[in-house]
Amino acid sequence: DAKTTQPNSMESNEEEPVHLPCNHSTISGTDYIHWYRQLPSQGPEYVIHGLTSNVNNRMASLAIAEDRKSSTLILHRATLRDAAVYYCILSPRIYGGSQGNLIFGKGTKLSVKP
Amino acid sequence: GAVVSQHPSWVICKSGTSVKIECRSLDFQATTMFWYRQFPKQSLMLMATSNEGSKATYEQGVEKDKFLINHASLTLSTLTVTSAHPEDSSFYICSARLLDRDDNEQFFGPGTRLTVL
Repeated sequence: DAKTTQPNSMESNEEEPVHLPCNHSTISGTDYIHWYRQLPSQGPEYVIHGLTSNVNNRMASLAIAEDRKSSTLILHRATLRDAAVYYCILSPRIYGGSQGNLIFGKGTKLSVKP
Repeated sequence: GAVVSQHPSWVICKSGTSVKIECRSLDFQATTMFWYRQFPKQSLMLMATSNEGSKATYEQGVEKDKFLINHASLTLSTLTVTSAHPEDSSFYICSARLLDRDDNEQFFGPGTRLTVL
């Protein structure tokens, strides 16, 4: 599975935008870019995913570089509830019979200051 | 959105006993579910992939006779920790993947905290 690199930690102020970077220089053409987050003592929560084009949903935006070797998760207005560990994960397109594991790295621990 | 539940949310047991953890997809069907383990201050580690109607696939280093997985239906997978010991104390998390999707979007349960005395 292709590897991702994220900063260990980031800080943000409440109600300000947050840009969480992820490098994935060895990404293949069929790899989806997934973002999950995990609050303390909870299971991971799906945030967003994309393949080539930028994606928006109610939680966040995903900006994917043109060469797909990096991406940025954008939280438009950070709240205290956004404080979590954010994981950027690559996963190949699932074909019949393939397992499709998600391999979690260490992620980025986001702290949000009031 | 798709919801995955786990039961129990926490369990304390004596060393040597067996513990069963259930993972259910509440509003969707999942032919494939995944079991993870997370130790304090560490990331999630995949233990096994559970496939409905067939044997689970275990990751290297995970004892299949100790961590029994059964995926009897499209909405239920169970993990049984047999003869639990204190080193098995951990946070166990399951996830489920939607059918007929090729993007591998997964939905995670809230986790089960196992403490073995």
